[in-house]
Parts: sequence; structure tokens; C-alpha cells
Amino acid sequence: AQTVTQSQPEMSVQEAETVTLSCTYDTSENNYYLFWYKQPPSRQMILVIRQEAYKQQNATENRFSVNFQKAAKSFSLKISDSQLGDTAMYFCAFMKHGGSSNTGKLIFGQGTTLQVKP
Amino acid sequence: ETGVTQSPTHLIKTRGQQVTLRCSSQSGHNTVSWYQQALGQGPQFIFQYYREEENGRGNFPPRFSGLQFPNYSSELNVNALELDDSALYLCASNSRTEAFFGQGTRLTVV
Repeated sequence: AQTVTQSQPEMSVQEAETVTLSCTYDTSENNYYLFWYKQPPSRQMILVIRQEAYKQQNATENRFSVNFQKAAKSFSLKISDSQLGDTAMYFCAFMKHGGSSNTGKLIFGQGTTLQVKP
Repeated sequence: ETGVTQSPTHLIKTRGQQVTLRCSSQSGHNTVSWYQQALGQGPQFIFQYYREEENGRGNFPPRFSGLQFPNYSSELNVNALELDDSALYLCASNSRTEAFFGQGTRLTVV
């Protein structure tokens, strides 16, 4: 069975600074996806960034980037130039590659609450 | 906007009652998943439907059931509600590579 662990329940960062959120996971699968989702108080779960396990290159989306260490089963999120709108709960999630069938089951970590301070 | 719509947004029910939550999936997606998110926790997978058939189930009792319709919209039904069923229920419309979430239904059981 797969598990996802986020060991930082809460973090804070000053506006314009950089923060890194940690995530580790456990799986015996070789093909999978990893995600970071953002959930603001509005409750909408918003995809921040996606990493495909077979790709060695770390994914980047504007101010968001990941450090994917497949052997260590580590998947951290770096937020550069933090903005007040980044304040939210962040979830790391794992999804097995579906192959010929769509197996979209996501396994989430416990979440990290990020507070960006002015 | 993900194109995934859930209704209602909020609901209050009494213990022992039954509830139906609804989800319209994103156009072109034939897979929908349901999650339960307790306050301050990560979402937990309830089940998934693929082309109107249940295709995977998490650790939830049989009183949690679902349906998927030919247009790929979906319902989550919960019978004999318990206080611990109070949570945010999220629906996700799946492509092969990611999930698109609705805004959720906040269920309170009193």
C-alpha cells in the first residue's frame, strides 16, 4: 500500500521570501505521478504542480518548483517570491499510473498549513 | 475553474438520515472519484466510478454508495448518517494524468 507523509503541520514565511514544504512517500510502484495541491479557505482543491515519476527533470510552474528524489522517495515543493495569496493548506498526493485503465485514486498526505506574512 | 460542479455546497442532516450529494464531471472525463475530508486532514478516497461501474473503493462501509450516469455525472449516497460523517466531500473528475476537483459539499451531521 502507498503512503504519503507530510511532517510539517504548519509553516510560515515572509512575503517575497522562499519556503520549502516537505513530502515523503512509500510505494513499490515504478510508474506513478506526484502532485502538490493547494486548498485555500474557499475549499477548492487547486493543482499546483505535477511530477511524472519516469521523468528525472524536476517540474517547474512559475514560482513553484519541486525537488523530486525518486530513490529517496522524497518530493518537496519550493515556493519562490511568496505572495499573500499563497496562504493555504498544501497537500502532497500520489497517484499510481493507470496503464490501460484509468485508476485515478489519489493518496494524500496530512497537509501543511502555510501562512505568508506581510 | 475546473468545470467540476458539486451540489449542494452546504448541508445539515440529522443522525440516522440519508443524504445524496451530486457531482457533474468535466466534459470528456469518464472517471469520477469521491473523497471525504475531515477538518484539518487530507482527503480520504471513498470510491471511483469508471464508465458507470465502481472501479476501486477505499476503507468505507457499504452505507457509502454511489452511482455514475451515462453523462458521467455522479452521486454519493450515505445511509444511516453518523456524527463522524461530518466532513467536506470532494468530487474529482479524472483524466489519465490528474484529477480536477469540485468545490466540495460541507456535510454537518447533528
